[in-house]
Amino acid sequence: EVQLVESGGGLVQPGGSLRLSCAASGFTSSDHYMDWVRQAPGKGLEWVARSRNKANSYTTEYAASVEGRFTISRDDSGNSLYLQMNSLKSEDTAVYYCTRVDIISGHYYFAYWGQGTLLTVSS
Amino acid sequence: DIQMTQSPSSLSASVGDRVTMTCRASQGISKYLAWFQQKPGKAPKCLIYGASSLHSGVPSKFSGSGSGTDFTLTISSLQPEDFATYYCQQYNSYPLTFGGGTKVEI
Repeated sequence: EVQLVESGGGLVQPGGSLRLSCAASGFTSSDHYMDWVRQAPGKGLEWVARSRNKANSYTTEYAASVEGRFTISRDDSGNSLYLQMNSLKSEDTAVYYCTRVDIISGHYYFAYWGQGTLLTVSS
Repeated sequence: DIQMTQSPSSLSASVGDRVTMTCRASQGISKYLAWFQQKPGKAPKCLIYGASSLHSGVPSKFSGSGSGTDFTLTISSLQPEDFATYYCQQYNSYPLTFGGGTKVEI
């Protein structure tokens, strides 16, 4: 069974840093692209960052709103996904979801989602 | 960036109704579109990818259609567990973008 379990959320002051983690199990995560998607309270979904699979050297993509402040990475086994968040702003307050991207016939879609972890940026 | 516009933003329906919602992309995205269902306090779940292909385990009462800029999601016979918010998302190009959602209410 595919499982994605996020952790590391909490309350951080503006300008602070935090690292989110996502533990993947039930599949070979190094074979998959994995992304972070966030949702501000009462708002819609926003894509944050992508880590391609090992075959693509874990290369990355970012939303403009986080580029230069956030870094997506994986551990050597590929079983954990991270999001290092620096220079946090109040507008980064959201539930952060870890997702597994499935690739079928050229379609790259968010097939599985974790339960999310809440980040609150406030003084 | 490709803007995704969903309509309506909310709709009221009854159990057993056939429900259709739309998603429009600001530029052509071929069939690189997915639909998600989200219930309050829960993570989204994938329903459809490739505009019309059902994700594994999703019941056939959900169907999607469209290509280019205009897409629809249809629920053939609404059940109590289907009351939720539905999002479309394009993966034709970066940044990946979502629509604002359609909330299906009783």
